[in-house]
Amino acid sequence: DQQVKQNSPSLSVQEGRISILNCDYTNSMFDYFLWYKKYPAEGPTFLISISSIKDKNEDGRFTVFLNKSAKHLSLHIVPSQPGDSAVYFCAASSHSGGGADGLTFGKGTHLIIQP
Amino acid sequence: KAGVTQTPRYLIKTRGQQVTLSCSPISGHRSVSWYQQTPGQGLQFLFEYFSETQRNKGNFPGRFSGRQFSNSRSEMNVSTLELGDSALYLCASSFTGMGTNEKLFFGSGTQLSVL
Repeated sequence: DQQVKQNSPSLSVQEGRISILNCDYTNSMFDYFLWYKKYPAEGPTFLISISSIKDKNEDGRFTVFLNKSAKHLSLHIVPSQPGDSAVYFCAASSHSGGGADGLTFGKGTHLIIQP
Repeated sequence: KAGVTQTPRYLIKTRGQQVTLSCSPISGHRSVSWYQQTPGQGLQFLFEYFSETQRNKGNFPGRFSGRQFSNSRSEMNVSTLELGDSALYLCASSFTGMGTNEKLFFGSGTQLSVL
């Protein structure tokens, strides 16, 4: 039972354009969502996060949108740059009871930025 | 500030053996989590330690265990290795592991191959 789903295993976008990565979740107890970026042979690095009390969070070229009613979040990268080519993981956690229950990750989307 | 350090970087074992992986968190971080990454399943949460106590546990068999020392360093042990245990094992640290502002910082992982 996959609670966090990234339905696009890969995405190819032209340099300078907008990259939109999507993520769906099924667990209504999730209240904190994160995006991580991973290069080969390295661990994931934190990119941006959003709490369930917000519907948008922006950090430079990166914006995350959360639609709680649809249980959907998306990561927008504008403009896309060659260094953005990586695997992007969507993750979610539940803080019910006061502690984090571990992050639940999607399977990742491989973003390829074409020159 | 040094990042999360995992040793060894690569490991080859045979079925039935046991293995111990090590993780040194970022200085000041007291929460250490372990994740397993496989091509088919993505990143899956194994367990989380805080102040030498296992606080959260994922859905893995008892062959997977861990511990945390007083200096927050953590070890993960897998006994009676199976072929399916071949994966990248990632360690992540954070200050407390709780609260919606917490970010996980990942190490580069230990690539375990079971032959």
